[in-house]
Amino acid sequence: AQSVSQHNHHVILSEAASLELGCNYSYGGTVNLFWYVQYPGQHLQLLLKYFSGDPLVKGIKGFEAEFIKSKFSFNLRKPSVQWSDTAEYFCAVAYNFNKFYFGSGTKLNVKP
Amino acid sequence: EPEVTQTPSHQVTQMGQEVILRCVPISNHLYFYWYRQILGQKVEFLVSFYNNEISEKSEIFDDQFSVERPDGSNFTLKIRSTKLEDSAMYFCASSDGQGAEQYFGPGTRLTVT
Repeated sequence: AQSVSQHNHHVILSEAASLELGCNYSYGGTVNLFWYVQYPGQHLQLLLKYFSGDPLVKGIKGFEAEFIKSKFSFNLRKPSVQWSDTAEYFCAVAYNFNKFYFGSGTKLNVKP
Repeated sequence: EPEVTQTPSHQVTQMGQEVILRCVPISNHLYFYWYRQILGQKVEFLVSFYNNEISEKSEIFDDQFSVERPDGSNFTLKIRSTKLEDSAMYFCASSDGQGAEQYFGPGTRLTVT
């Protein structure tokens, strides 16, 4: 069965630190890849997505992610986090354009 | 910006009762989804719906669950006889294409007592 793994469950950073959140997925055919963010008390919002083309994708709020096909990874990065980035981050994979799987989420806490 | 809406925001029900959770997807979207998130656990796919029929469902989506698009705007999830373990946040989502980004609603928190 397909699965999506996020290895960091809880990350604590100081403002201006760099961020990298890991996401790995199991093989299962064609994949579309997403990162969603859930700010406290709000619903899931799309940060960025990868369908094809340049494996380095840029999203909103200075986030980017790199698709490495050989490693089945789609890690999320931000060079310098802000307090307002405190949220939960979910990696998601759509297999064969239909089945959608989420990772378990990573809670990011940015200290001012 | 168009958004997905869900009602109610919080539903409390007794075990064994039927509940209907409602969603209004983005108007030009054709693909609709339900997910649930039990407190402290990951978001789990329940079902996808396209062209008035279920296109994919997970093992969680058993006979006590059903979905319907009763009119041109609403998309509902019915749980026939709720169990304690159905307590969770239920998210509706819609997209304009297969495998495309999904837009999520704010969720309905279901509490079964």
